[in-house]
Amino acid sequence: GENVEQHPSTLSVQEGDSAVIKCTYSDSASNYFPWYKQELGKGPQLIIDIRSNVGEKKDQRIAVTLNKTAKHFSLHITETQPEDSAVYFCAATAGGSYIPTFGRGTSLIVHP
Amino acid sequence: GAVVSQHPSRVICKSGTSVKIECRSLDFQATTMFWYRQFPKQSLMLMATSNEGSKATYEQGVEKDKFLINHASLTLSTLTVTSAHPEDSSFYICSAEDEGYTFGSGTRLTVV
Repeated sequence: GENVEQHPSTLSVQEGDSAVIKCTYSDSASNYFPWYKQELGKGPQLIIDIRSNVGEKKDQRIAVTLNKTAKHFSLHITETQPEDSAVYFCAATAGGSYIPTFGRGTSLIVHP
Repeated sequence: GAVVSQHPSRVICKSGTSVKIECRSLDFQATTMFWYRQFPKQSLMLMATSNEGSKATYEQGVEKDKFLINHASLTLSTLTVTSAHPEDSSFYICSAEDEGYTFGSGTRLTVV
């Protein structure tokens, strides 16, 4: 089955800096890669996603890149703000399955 | 976008009692819903796939007699934790797929 590795487990940045979270996946059949933000005591919320036919996608301060050859994808957050502090999960969904495999999560801390 | 509503958000129950958690898709029909369990500072663990009108599919190691799942309509799935014990205390989250994979807000269960 699919295996998703996520790094780092904890990321601490100063407000205004950029943050990058990286994930790798094992199943070359995976074709959908969502990113979720989970605030304390809440369910994960989809913040951005990318499909395998696209190399990069951007939504305001958030961007995701995908390298299918290397089987890795990354989340980039620019101009970080304290409200960006949360746990971020990457996921990969293999073709034919609609159940994503999640990474272990990254706790992002943005210091004012 | 798709909205998944989960209730209650938190519940405290006594050991030996049963607790029911509801998951509703508010603006779409979901023939399939998913139930996750999340331990502190850990990723999401898929417990079972809830199928409307048929039996749920449980992941390996999940006791189906302990965690009863009912998916009686296209918009409602329920998870009942039977004869709850302190080790069942956890954060339970449901999800459903519409155009994306959407999570509920989660239920914090504390068994005392």
